[in-house]
Parts: sequence; structure tokens; C-alpha cells
Amino acid sequence: GEDVEQSLFLSVREGDSSVINCTYTDSSSTYLYWYKQEPGAGLQLLTYIFSNMDMKQDQRLTVLLNKKDKHLSLRIADTQTGDSAIYFCAEKVLGNQGGKLIFGQGTELSVKP
Amino acid sequence: DTGVSQDPRHKITKRGQNVTFRCDPISEHNRLYWYRQTLGQGPEFLTYFQNEAQLEKSRLLSDRFSAERPKGSFSTLEIQRTEQGDSAMYLCASSGQYSNQPQHFGDGTRLSIL
Repeated sequence: GEDVEQSLFLSVREGDSSVINCTYTDSSSTYLYWYKQEPGAGLQLLTYIFSNMDMKQDQRLTVLLNKKDKHLSLRIADTQTGDSAIYFCAEKVLGNQGGKLIFGQGTELSVKP
Repeated sequence: DTGVSQDPRHKITKRGQNVTFRCDPISEHNRLYWYRQTLGQGPEFLTYFQNEAQLEKSRLLSDRFSAERPKGSFSTLEIQRTEQGDSAMYLCASSGQYSNQPQHFGDGTRLSIL
């Protein structure tokens, strides 16, 4: 089946690194995504990784993928108060002609000054 | 690039009324998606269009829901005889036609049923 799980809350100090974790169940996932949602707003695409990669870096963001364990993580270096938001992990499943995304519940990141 | 645009941003209505939301995708995107997000949850897929063709519908999309994309550009989502459980954020996303192109989301329409 298709299921994506994330821990619900993470609290860090400004300047520290944040690591948000996600597990998924569908081994046929093609792409895995990280989106950010601020209060009252839609989802902002942060980064994504193809399932045949194990790491992708984009400025302060590093995505790590362990395909064997179906585990995805997002590391935010030098976390700022502006990074406080809800972060969603999502998978796109192979064989789904529409490419619909299956989302986790979201991890609320709180950054304390 | 003006992004995905949704209208209205907020809609408050009484139970039993019909509501319609509009989504304007990024202009060169031929795929358009509707999702529903309830409080404290991630978005859930409702339906998807490639150009004007509606290619997939979720079991969440009851017969009170209908979506259209008549000219392959903007889309509308209508909910008839609204119920309390329809209160949610309705999100629209669009993407290009290739599988490696990610979905970009609008700011959503928040529906509140009184």
C-alpha cells in the first residue's frame, strides 16, 4: 500500500541543523519530494530526489535517501527563524499515470532564537 | 511565471449550499491536480487532468464533487449540497507533462461550512 509517515514536531535553536525524517512504504516510488507550508499558505516546493539517487544538495538543504530502508531525510543547515513551518514529505508512485503525490502528515519545525 | 492562482482564498457558506472554486495553472503546464487538506493532515489527492481530460479520480471524490477543465487551461471544482465534513483547504497544483517535472501548488481555497 501507499503510506508516508513523519514525526509530528521538531524544535531546534537558531543556527543549529535540523533533520526531518520520513518513511514510505511503496517500493515503486519514483520521485520523493519535500514541500514547506507556512500558516494559511499553499505548499512551496523545496527540493526533490529521484529514487535512483542517494543524496542531493541544494544550498542549505541536503536530502538523503536510503532506498533499502525506504527512509528519506531533509537536513537544513544553519536553521533560521524563517524556516519555522510545516514540512511535508511526498512520494510519487510508479505506474500511476497521473503522478499523484502521497503526502505524510507533516513535521512542524519550530526554530527558537 | 505567475505561479498557480486559486480563487477565492476563503469561502464561508451554509450547509447545503453549492460552492465553486477556480484554479489557474502555470501557463505552460498541461497537468492539473486537485487535493484536499484537513487540519493537521497532509494533502490528499482528489483528481487530475491532462489537458482537458480528467484521467483519475480518488474515492474521496463523492458524487457531490465535480471538476472540469473545459479548455485545458483553468479548472473548476464544484461541491454540491455542502456538508460539515467538506470544511478543508482545497489545493490546486500543476506540472508539465513529463514525470520528472514536479507539481507546483497554489495558495489554496479555505472552505468553512457553517
